[in-house]
Amino acid sequence: DAGITQSPRHKVTETGTPVTLRCHQTENHRYMYWYRQDPGHGLRLIHYSYGVKDTDKGEVSDGYSVSRSKTEDFLLTLESATSSQTSVYFCAIGGLANTGELFFGEGSRLTVL
Amino acid sequence: GQQVMQIPQYQHVQEGEDFTTYCNSSTTLSNIQWYKQRPGGHPVFLIQLVKSGEVKKQKRLTFQFGEAKKNSSLHITATQTTDVGTYFCAGPEGLTGGGNKLTFGTGTQLKVEL
Repeated sequence: DAGITQSPRHKVTETGTPVTLRCHQTENHRYMYWYRQDPGHGLRLIHYSYGVKDTDKGEVSDGYSVSRSKTEDFLLTLESATSSQTSVYFCAIGGLANTGELFFGEGSRLTVL
Repeated sequence: GQQVMQIPQYQHVQEGEDFTTYCNSSTTLSNIQWYKQRPGGHPVFLIQLVKSGEVKKQKRLTFQFGEAKKNSSLHITATQTTDVGTYFCAGPEGLTGGGNKLTFGTGTQLKVEL
């Protein structure tokens, strides 16, 4: 498995509180992604990064922000968590133009009460 | 934006039966990828198809890419309990700097009963 570590793996929080999920990779890969997974929706892209300090929005970016100050770390922040953000969050690396496959972390399960 | 649909959403089979999941994209794809996610696990890359009409096999799994490069299928022959999981197809869109982001289908959840 690719060297991708997500933390925390599980978190329960209350509505209105800030939450930060961390993705750490040891592969020195340029591209990193945050997806959320919900029943009936598959995996939906939240934000992605194509280099240090280079990020862009995915299809479900409202309510989320990201930062990438180092190649190995990609942070996903929920400034004020809502119950609709209860989900499983996956970080991924990869997506080179010639090969294209993504390697996923183990996931972070977030419950917002 | 690009949309990728999969059918069926769920499939229950008896061990030994065959299984097929279908994937359809709203746009022509440069390639299509398939992933498997075991219950409680994370998606794992299975294969990538690039050419129009391409067929690839991995043991009991057969993957096809449509002639128009807008649809694909995964067929499992003689399912086993180890095949249990959710199967996703995914199509790429170009990114700034030459990378790809993947749009995933909704997935087909396969359950195999003894």
